[in-house]
Amino acid sequence: DIVLTQSPDSLAVSLGERATINCKSSQSVLYSSNNKNYLAWYQQKPGQPPKLLIYWASTRESGVPDRFSGSGAGTDFTLTISSLQAEDVAIYYCQQYHSPTPWTFGQGTKVEIK
Amino acid sequence: QLQLQESGPGLVRSSETLSLTCTVSGGSISSSSYYWAWIRQPPGNGLECIGRIYYSGSTHYNPSLKGRVTISIDTSKNQFSLRLTPATAADSAVYYCVRAGVVRSFDSWGQGILVTVSS
Repeated sequence: DIVLTQSPDSLAVSLGERATINCKSSQSVLYSSNNKNYLAWYQQKPGQPPKLLIYWASTRESGVPDRFSGSGAGTDFTLTISSLQAEDVAIYYCQQYHSPTPWTFGQGTKVEIK
Repeated sequence: QLQLQESGPGLVRSSETLSLTCTVSGGSISSSSYYWAWIRQPPGNGLECIGRIYYSGSTHYNPSLKGRVTISIDTSKNQFSLRLTPATAADSAVYYCVRAGVVRSFDSWGQGILVTVSS
């Protein structure tokens, strides 16, 4: 299985400041045939299902605010919230969909307001 | 607007069968562009992919659960289902049914259903 390790496990950021979450994969999730990294990011608020934010490592899902951005390639990825808003308090998960099975998630990073 | 809705018992006895159904509305489960998946989340913990099924019936299961899990699809009812047997306390979780694509991965989620396995 491809193992995804997120860091940190939790972080507290002041409103309006930048939040950065890292995700490291045990194997590359790059498909050389189309040069796409099969890595997605999700946001989960309490009592709700996860919500897709980013796919192909850096493509923002329709309707997601542009303060959310994804970057990285191969085995190292980052989710950045450029200016944290109160509604961004949540747990964030990275997930790979490169391997045929199983598609796996990182352990999650909890983002709170400082 | 695609909607997915999980249904099934919220309480299952240990060693019996955990069975859930997902009803899809607002879109066809027979689309060749998507898989239909089950994901679970134990209370306070992270997310685990159980498996996914294509409209043709082909399946991919998490090896950690293989042998205990079966996912099936009924295109006439626009539903897909999960069976997990024998159930153990470790299977207690919120179970989500999800649409999965090879481009956008898990892009539409049901609200989830809490299943408790009791001894």
